[in-house]
Amino acid sequence: GAVVSQHPSRVICKSGTSVKIECRSLDFQATTMFWYRQFPKKSLMLMATSNEGSKATYEQGVEKDKFLINHASLTLSTLTVTSAHPEDSSFYICSARDTGTSGYEQYFGPGTRLTVT
Amino acid sequence: DAKTTQPPSMDCAEGRAANLPCNHSTISGNEYVYWYRQIHSQGPQYIIHGLKNNETNEMASLIITEDRKSSTLILPHATLRDTAVYYCIVRGTGGGNKLTFGTGTQLKVEL
Repeated sequence: GAVVSQHPSRVICKSGTSVKIECRSLDFQATTMFWYRQFPKKSLMLMATSNEGSKATYEQGVEKDKFLINHASLTLSTLTVTSAHPEDSSFYICSARDTGTSGYEQYFGPGTRLTVT
Repeated sequence: DAKTTQPPSMDCAEGRAANLPCNHSTISGNEYVYWYRQIHSQGPQYIIHGLKNNETNEMASLIITEDRKSSTLILPHATLRDTAVYYCIVRGTGGGNKLTFGTGTQLKVEL
């Protein structure tokens, strides 16, 4: 099946620093990728939709200047958490849509656990 | 996208069938029913999806009622590794449609 990878799987950073998370589709092309955030014991919340070669679309309440998304190629999207604060600590999960299939199947990465101290 | 309603939790004995229900009474004609599951601290895993007909794959079976207002995911022989949160999601197939997660059902498989 289709594979989506994320790097790093776990990161600890100090308050005020920036952290970049990479999401790659390994065996398919993804013109659209999605970034989700999940707090403990909560469901996944969609943060933004990333389209290759264009600006990301952010969900209501998500600060675009804080969560920078770049989707420069058909297999790579990055999420940069800028000036991270402890409340940004969360599980970040990316997802890639396989536009090569008729149903626009969507596959998820393993997630990145961010802890801001 | 239509909303779904699932029981918050279910228990199942190992080796037995796990039947997870989902209500989606406001589903529209072009929306599919998708099932994903999330094992603790991992990304969601695709299980199965369907439109009208029942579907079966190596992981599970999906039974959709004739009026499409509800569905049931069946894990025929649950194992301890099937313990996870199961999400039922309805979504159209257009490129702009997104997967929106509800609260899901926490399935606990026990010996």
